[in-house]
Amino acid sequence: GAVVSQHPSRVICKSGTSVKIECRSLDFQATTMFWYRQFPKKSLMLMATSNEGSKATYEQGVEKDKFLINHASLTLSTLTVTSAHPEDSSFYICSAWKGGGYTFGSGTRLTVV
Amino acid sequence: GESVGLHLPTLSVQEGDNSIINCAYSNSASDYFIWYKQESGKGPQFIIDIRSNMDKRQGQRVTVLLNKTVKHLSLQIAATQPGDSAVYFCAENGGYNKLIFGAGTRLAVHP
Repeated sequence: GAVVSQHPSRVICKSGTSVKIECRSLDFQATTMFWYRQFPKKSLMLMATSNEGSKATYEQGVEKDKFLINHASLTLSTLTVTSAHPEDSSFYICSAWKGGGYTFGSGTRLTVV
Repeated sequence: GESVGLHLPTLSVQEGDNSIINCAYSNSASDYFIWYKQESGKGPQFIIDIRSNMDKRQGQRVTVLLNKTVKHLSLQIAATQPGDSAVYFCAENGGYNKLIFGAGTRLAVHP
């Protein structure tokens, strides 16, 4: 079946630094990937749609310069949280769309100290 | 019983009972709906889906009901087990294949 690998699973970084999260589709090609953010005891909030070979589409209220998305190949999308602040601490989850269904990564717990 | 407050609403059931989790969706144009199960610290896990041309779909121990008139979705879990304890989300395809998640319900199964 379709598998999406997300790394790292946990990361702690200092305020002001940048963190990159990777989302890979292991056994299929994904022209479209999605990035979500989830706060404790809350639902998944769609941040952006990542399209291979083109610019990402961001949801309203999501800062594109803060959350840089790159989808350079059919199997890899990356989310970079730039100049991280404690309020960026959250659980980030990616999803890959393959005609007929979605496959989710296992999530990345980001803690900014 | 079911409670709603500042945290996720929680549905508490006894092991062996049937569970019904409800969800209201927002977009009348949505044509595809999915129920997910999420355990702590993990990504969502697919349970069952349904398209808008259907009003009921059954899987193993689970049934999804869709009422387009009132934009309501429900997930029924038969013979609930302790391993079913998790947070359950409904999600709708809101266009452009974007999946929009509902608020979620925590299911607590007691022995």
